[in-house]
Amino acid sequence: LAKTTQPISMDSYEGQEVNITCSHNNIATNDYITWYQQFPSQGPRFIIQGYKTKVTNEVASLFIPADRKSSTLSLPRVSLSDTAVYYCLVALYSSASKIIFGSGTRLSIRP
Amino acid sequence: DADVTQTPRNRITKTGKRIMLECSQTKGHDRMYWYRQDPGLGLRLIYYSFDVKDINKGEISDGYSVSRQAQAKFSLSLESAIPNQTALYFCATRGSRRFYEQYFGPGTRLTVT
Repeated sequence: LAKTTQPISMDSYEGQEVNITCSHNNIATNDYITWYQQFPSQGPRFIIQGYKTKVTNEVASLFIPADRKSSTLSLPRVSLSDTAVYYCLVALYSSASKIIFGSGTRLSIRP
Repeated sequence: DADVTQTPRNRITKTGKRIMLECSQTKGHDRMYWYRQDPGLGLRLIYYSFDVKDINKGEISDGYSVSRQAQAKFSLSLESAIPNQTALYFCATRGSRRFYEQYFGPGTRLTVT
């Protein structure tokens, strides 16, 4: 499993765009990239996944450069409710695999 | 109704006691997982199961055991609880179609005194 590195914490303000970058230098050809969000005392919740280029859904965008050694989760116009821990995961492109969570990025949004 | 349920939600037990945490799911997924989360840290994988006859150890299986009683049920047992097993425990499921997405239960807060 490829190791991921992401900032321990980030701060931002309401209405700003927040970008959280994750490094995964040892990503393999069959690996895909997934991001989860976790609020205190709740289980993580899937946000977005991608393999390459850009993916966008109603919650966030995910940018993946051509070499796939990093990825950036972009949250547009954050609000206080976006305060959470965000996990970047890299996993084999297969359902027959375990998923390993790292320590995540603790995002704090201020008024 | 929640897709993934865990019982109990909170439990306080004493050192040396045996305790079982239960997980049930209605998503029809065949893959189920148990994670542990300590304060301020990420999730660590304890055990996972791909079907009723398949059980696999995760990162931190020592001191834990599991049972997959049915496709929808996956239980975690602490044979002899110790204080450093105090943590938040999450069960999760994953299907084969949206295989990148795990669905988590609400968690069980376990305190071992």
